[in-house]
Amino acid sequence: GAGVSQTPSNKVTEKGKYVELRCDPISGHTALYWYRQSLGQGPEFLIYFQGTGAADDSGLPNDRFFAVRPEGSVSTLKIQRTERGDSAVYLCASSMGAGTGELFFGEGSRLTVL
Amino acid sequence: KQEVTQIPAALSVPEGENLVLNCSFTDSAIYNLQWFRQDPGKGLTSLLLIQSSQREQTSGRLNASLDKSSGRSTLYIAASQPGDSATYLCAVPQGGSEKLVFGKGTKLTVNP
Repeated sequence: GAGVSQTPSNKVTEKGKYVELRCDPISGHTALYWYRQSLGQGPEFLIYFQGTGAADDSGLPNDRFFAVRPEGSVSTLKIQRTERGDSAVYLCASSMGAGTGELFFGEGSRLTVL
Repeated sequence: KQEVTQIPAALSVPEGENLVLNCSFTDSAIYNLQWFRQDPGKGLTSLLLIQSSQREQTSGRLNASLDKSSGRSTLYIAASQPGDSATYLCAVPQGGSEKLVFGKGTKLTVNP
């Protein structure tokens, strides 16, 4: 596609439920990143994929968070047993590859946990 | 640990004014610095990417400079327009990693 696509754009769920957020990167981009942004803050790193493998998952806050990229293109961020503190905008970005620098972001998925 | 600070947090200017946004970072061992724009409720749009070997980059009315040794970057916006109103974020890598560390941003309002 022309840009990074994220679905859903908005997700409201109840505490304790399971949530999946999807990211479709720019075609041909091998690097994919997930960030989380709370109101009034800059984005915070969650995880980075180079191809199919998670090259750096040091930003995942705990084991309720997991992300996959099975075919090296689309990625899914999975959140188990959601908590109110998980409410944020989840941003996905892609780049041509590690060390190439410029990141291109999607519009984000706004998650609200009631 | 890399920390990024942006000053001011908010700025309101009349249309046509030239302005400077500031970004400082604590670890100067960076390989690049990126400036982004974020409109309310939207994702981030890349504005300028400066490699560590460069001192500045220009795109239209935007000019970004980088001084690695002092841990500072500035974003200069010439002849500001109401459409420039947005939050401007700078980001640098954590160490030599792919992990970007962002500032909290400067919220710019350009009044007609």
